[in-house]
Amino acid sequence: ELKVEQNPLFLSMQEGKNYTIYCNYSTTSDRLYWYRQDPGKSLESLFVLLSNGAVKQEGRLMASLDTKARLSTLHITAAVHDLSATYFCAVDIGLATNKLIFGTGTLLAVQP
Amino acid sequence: KAGVTQTPRYLIKTRGQQVTLSCSPISGHRSVSWYQQTPGQGLQFLFEYFSETQRNKGNFPGRFSGRQFSNSRSEMNVSTLELGDSALYLCASSEGGDEQFFGPGTRLTVL
Repeated sequence: ELKVEQNPLFLSMQEGKNYTIYCNYSTTSDRLYWYRQDPGKSLESLFVLLSNGAVKQEGRLMASLDTKARLSTLHITAAVHDLSATYFCAVDIGLATNKLIFGTGTLLAVQP
Repeated sequence: KAGVTQTPRYLIKTRGQQVTLSCSPISGHRSVSWYQQTPGQGLQFLFEYFSETQRNKGNFPGRFSGRQFSNSRSEMNVSTLELGDSALYLCASSEGGDEQFFGPGTRLTVL
């Protein structure tokens, strides 16, 4: 059974600082997603990473995928308070089905 | 295009009752997946429907069931509700094996 581990579970950081969230998964997959969730809300798609070495950037967030290491990272540059949310990575098990296995989530709190 | 819609948004039920949740996917999307989110278990896959057929199912008891109609709208049903069924239920739609787009969710509270 595919397992997805995310760390850290909680991240408190100051505005202007940089940090990285890590997502490890246990079996081969070529598709990895990053989502953001605000309290009481649904999941907002941030990035779709479809191949080894994929790197995508949007604003202060950058995601990368290393399928050989089974690792994805979400890097936050110069954090701002508006980035405070819970971030999830999710791995698609493939096999012609839309089944996502989610990580535990990282609660990010950006302090002014 | 309109996004994924879910109804109702909030629901309060008592133990032993049953509940039906509805999900309308993005126009043209034939795949609908359902997920349960709880503080203890996180986000867990329930099942996926594609062109009216269940394509995959997660590790949930038989009390959880679903179906999909010819217009791709999907419903999930939970019978004999338990306190532990209290959760945010999310549905997601996609064109097939592509990116999934999530609806706003239905928050179910079981008393």
